[in-house]
Amino acid sequence: AQTVTQSQPEMSVQEAETVTLSCTYDTSESDYYLFWYKQPPSRQMILVIRQEAYKQQNATENRFSVNFQKAAKSFSLKISDSQLGDAAMYFCAYRQMDSNYQLIWGAGTKLIIKP
Amino acid sequence: GAVVSQHPSWVICKSGTSVKIECRSLDFQATTMFWYRQFPKQSLMLMATSNEGSKATYEQGVEKDKFLINHASLTLSTLTVTSAHPEDSSFYICSASWGGAGNGYTFGSGTRLTVV
Repeated sequence: AQTVTQSQPEMSVQEAETVTLSCTYDTSESDYYLFWYKQPPSRQMILVIRQEAYKQQNATENRFSVNFQKAAKSFSLKISDSQLGDAAMYFCAYRQMDSNYQLIWGAGTKLIIKP
Repeated sequence: GAVVSQHPSWVICKSGTSVKIECRSLDFQATTMFWYRQFPKQSLMLMATSNEGSKATYEQGVEKDKFLINHASLTLSTLTVTSAHPEDSSFYICSASWGGAGNGYTFGSGTRLTVV
């Protein structure tokens, strides 16, 4: 069975600095999707970034980028120029290629932004 | 695009009564809807997966007679908490897949249920 591990329950960063959130996963599949979701205090889940396993290039969305290491089964999220609005719970998630397959969730990392 | 509207956003009910939570896909057809429960400061716990026109698949440990799921159309799925008790108080979230596996899921805004 697939598992997703986020080993950092909480991280803090100074505003405008860079922070990296860790995520590792376990799977025997060769192709799959990985996601980072953000859940701010409103509790609305928001997709931050996605990565398809067969793509070598790391995904980037503005200030958010990932470091995808397929062999190491690692999928970290880097947030550059941190802003107060980035404060939230961040969840890493795994999904098989089947379009209706459930997401496997990590435990989440609470990100605190210090002004 | 790909919006899921979830209602109500919060509800308080008396112990022993039933509460219905609705999730509607506004601009796409949701053949599969996932229902989650989230405890404070925890991750999402999958309760059940519903497919349009068929019975929901419940995760182990989830009482199917207490949490009734109906997915009667491609745009509407409902979760009914029957004979609610204080321990059912939680945050419930629905989500649907759209546009293929790579798009991930879109989520409803959640329902905070308090049973008194």
